[in-house]
Amino acid sequence: DAGVTQSPTHLIKTRGQQVTLRCSPKSGHDTVSWYQQALGQGPQFIFQYYEEEERQRGNFPDRFSGHQFPNYSSELNVNALLLGDSALYLCASSPGPWGSPLHFGNGTRLTVT
Amino acid sequence: DAKTTQPPSMDCAEGRAANLPCNHSTISGNEYVYWYRQIHSQGPQYIIHGLKNNETNEMASLIITEDRKSSTLILPHATLRDTAVYYCIVRSLGGSYIPTFGRGTSLIVHP
Repeated sequence: DAGVTQSPTHLIKTRGQQVTLRCSPKSGHDTVSWYQQALGQGPQFIFQYYEEEERQRGNFPDRFSGHQFPNYSSELNVNALLLGDSALYLCASSPGPWGSPLHFGNGTRLTVT
Repeated sequence: DAKTTQPPSMDCAEGRAANLPCNHSTISGNEYVYWYRQIHSQGPQYIIHGLKNNETNEMASLIITEDRKSSTLILPHATLRDTAVYYCIVRSLGGSYIPTFGRGTSLIVHP
């Protein structure tokens, strides 16, 4: 039973560029949440997708956007990258928007230079 | 959602019990206490959760005080592989919920 998978594992981008990160949820899960984790900090909630719609959003600018596909997989897009966007981006899945517990992937390490 | 307070770091000898405290004094009646841990370079991993009764599973035990304002995660026989950052969060099931992770407790298990 595959857990949450994320791709790519590492990525280096230049300021101003755009990036797309991908996530496949755990089998049987239909809800995907994205988190940003800066070095030395806890994960910060970006947004949650359920039934192909954004259901909840944390305190992130609209440069951060997402999408959920009919197979429940999800993408996180970040436009106009800033140096401060360098972080570990984590995807978590759950059975429903209020399901628990969250199952996390191992993240994508994004470095913006 | 209630916020939590955890010590920034702790250490424990291998084979001994690790007791990780968490304060959640503003917890409301329908909020559960959840514990996750994050081993270096991996995503957080669920450990255990509870509402008001003590809970035990194959990984750990969770002790919640009677007033529910604090809890303790117990790793009964810590190993080197338990070295990780441990996060305590509170969440309600249902309704609008934005999970909040603090900085957690960095537990170092030494030989």
